[in-house]
Amino acid sequence: KAGVTQTPRYLIKTRGQQVTLSCSPISGHRSVSWYQQTPGQGLQFLFEYFSETQRNKGNFPGRFSGRQFSNSRSEMNVSTLELGDSALYLCASSPGTGYEELFFGSGTQLSVL
Amino acid sequence: AQSVTQLGSHVSVSEGALVLLRCNYSSSVPPYLFWYVQYPNQGLQLLLKYTTGATLVKGINGFEAEFKKSETSFHLTKPSAHMSDAAEYFCAVSVGYGGSQGNLIFGKGTKLSVKP
Repeated sequence: KAGVTQTPRYLIKTRGQQVTLSCSPISGHRSVSWYQQTPGQGLQFLFEYFSETQRNKGNFPGRFSGRQFSNSRSEMNVSTLELGDSALYLCASSPGTGYEELFFGSGTQLSVL
Repeated sequence: AQSVTQLGSHVSVSEGALVLLRCNYSSSVPPYLFWYVQYPNQGLQLLLKYTTGATLVKGINGFEAEFKKSETSFHLTKPSAHMSDAAEYFCAVSVGYGGSQGNLIFGKGTKLSVKP
């Protein structure tokens, strides 16, 4: 069974640009969550999607948005990039119906110059 | 509001020694608690979880954790450290809607070093 796939693995952008990150969950998983990981703030929850609906949202500005498609694949978008957006962005999937294990991808390392 | 505090950002042990990584939580409702491990350049992998029932939880790679409500703690232990245990460990509490795991509050992490 394939794991959670995140693309691209690395990304370099400049301030003011926008970026789209992609996540393909494990087959059959309907929940996809996104986290931002930085050395200073640690792991912070961005949002969770379940069956194409945003079910939970963390405390991030509106520049951070996401969506989920009917095949459960998810994208997150960051507009008007700031230097502080440099981070490892992790996607995790689960069946979404209970306290199941979260399966994480290897992440997308975003650098904003 | 839920929160997680991991005591010690770095812990160093000798190979074969006891591993003890500390985690305290704050939750207004019965918590669901997790330990994850992250190896360099990889995502997070679940070590173990506590939802309800037995307070001593066994996980993968010989790790276990005990839920102590009176102490609001969920410390992670392993009797004998192995070089391959060197990684960063995260404690987390679930605050999700309807019991979903999708929204986890993570601690800052503890980096474990194992000396030969």
